[in-house]
Amino acid sequence: GNSVTQMEGPVTLSEEAFLTINCTYTATGYPSLFWYVQYPGEGLQLLLKATKADDKGSNKGFEATYRKETTSFHLEKGSVQVSDSAVYFCALGQRGAQKLVFGQGTRLTINP
Amino acid sequence: GAGVSQSPSNKVTEKGKDVELRCDPISGHTALYWYRQSLGQGLEFLIYFQGNSAPDKSGLPSDRFSAERTGGSVSTLTIQRTQQEDSAVYLCASSLALAGGEYGYTFGSGTRLTVV
Repeated sequence: GNSVTQMEGPVTLSEEAFLTINCTYTATGYPSLFWYVQYPGEGLQLLLKATKADDKGSNKGFEATYRKETTSFHLEKGSVQVSDSAVYFCALGQRGAQKLVFGQGTRLTINP
Repeated sequence: GAGVSQSPSNKVTEKGKDVELRCDPISGHTALYWYRQSLGQGLEFLIYFQGNSAPDKSGLPSDRFSAERTGGSVSTLTIQRTQQEDSAVYLCASSLALAGGEYGYTFGSGTRLTVV
């Protein structure tokens, strides 16, 4: 079945550091891939997505590239801010199948 | 509405009592999902509604959990005889028909349930 494996946290970085959160997946066919972010006390917000291989999703300085050859969708940001502190979830979905499969989440803390 | 609305935002209940959690999806979204997020854990799928089709209840953890969706819009998740292990954040999400898997969902802010 479909599954998502995320880099385990928690991750702690200093402000302006480079961020990578790894995400790999197992799926049949051609899934869509997502990163969701959950700020403290809030629900999940869609951060970015990619619906086909080699697509790059980007938003708020974050980027992730859909790599079919390595079955990965790693999240990156060149210079993190304190306001990026949150839990990040990688997820997978497929056309015609409604349910998303989520990774376990990675808690990111950015120190000033 | 403009977003997915959940109520109450917080609920404290005594063990053994029944609780009802409400979700009002985005207008026009025919697919509605309930997930549970226990402290420090990932998301656990509970139930999914699509239009007038029979719901996918495969994630409900026990027969104490049930959900309904009236008029294809508002949904209520009911937990009977609550237990302490039911304490979690209950998240609702919605999407356009047949688009959730390809384009993702919109989540509400969740209901934090505490069973004491």
